[in-house]
Amino acid sequence: KAGVTQTPRYLIKTRGQQVTLSCSPISGHRSVSWYQQTPGQGLQFLFEYFSETQRNKGNFPGRFSGRQFSNSRSEMNVSTLELGDSALYLCASSLGTQTNEKLFFGSGTQLSVL
Amino acid sequence: DQQVKQNSPSLSVQEGRISILNCDYTNSMFDYFLWYKKYPAEGPTFLISISSIKDKNEDGRFTVFLNKSAKHLSLHIVPSQPGDSAVYFCAASGFVGTYNTDKLIFGTGTRLQVFP
Repeated sequence: KAGVTQTPRYLIKTRGQQVTLSCSPISGHRSVSWYQQTPGQGLQFLFEYFSETQRNKGNFPGRFSGRQFSNSRSEMNVSTLELGDSALYLCASSLGTQTNEKLFFGSGTQLSVL
Repeated sequence: DQQVKQNSPSLSVQEGRISILNCDYTNSMFDYFLWYKKYPAEGPTFLISISSIKDKNEDGRFTVFLNKSAKHLSLHIVPSQPGDSAVYFCAASGFVGTYNTDKLIFGTGTRLQVFP
């Protein structure tokens, strides 16, 4: 069974640009969550999508948005990039139908904003 | 406000000895706790979990202890092996803040290095 796939692995952007990251969950998983990892901050929850609807949201500004497609694939978009947005962005999938589910993570997209 | 805290950013342990990684949380509504391990250039992978109705869960060399009154959990690795060298994140889930979520709130991680 294929794992969670994130593309691209690396991105370099400049301030003010926008970026779109992609995530393909494990087959059969309907929940996709996005996390931002920065040194010293651990993994910060961005949002979660289930059946094409945002179900949970973390404390990030509106520049961070996402969507989910009917095949459960998800995209995350960051507009008007800032230097502080440089981070590893991780996507995780789960069935989404039970509480206390384990999340299965992709390898992440390393975003560098110059 | 960091609701899940790992106060030790790094830990160095000799091979064969016990590694103890600690985690504290502030929200008494958390009812499920997990440990994830992360190698460089890879996503975190699930290691072990514990429900708030238990105080101990064991899986091979890994044991997680939960002290609800102290809002503290720890991960014990015995014996430690060089392949255990990684960053370990504790995570908690439950009803948090103003929105209901069973999504995971992660700590900042502890980098474990096991040397020969």
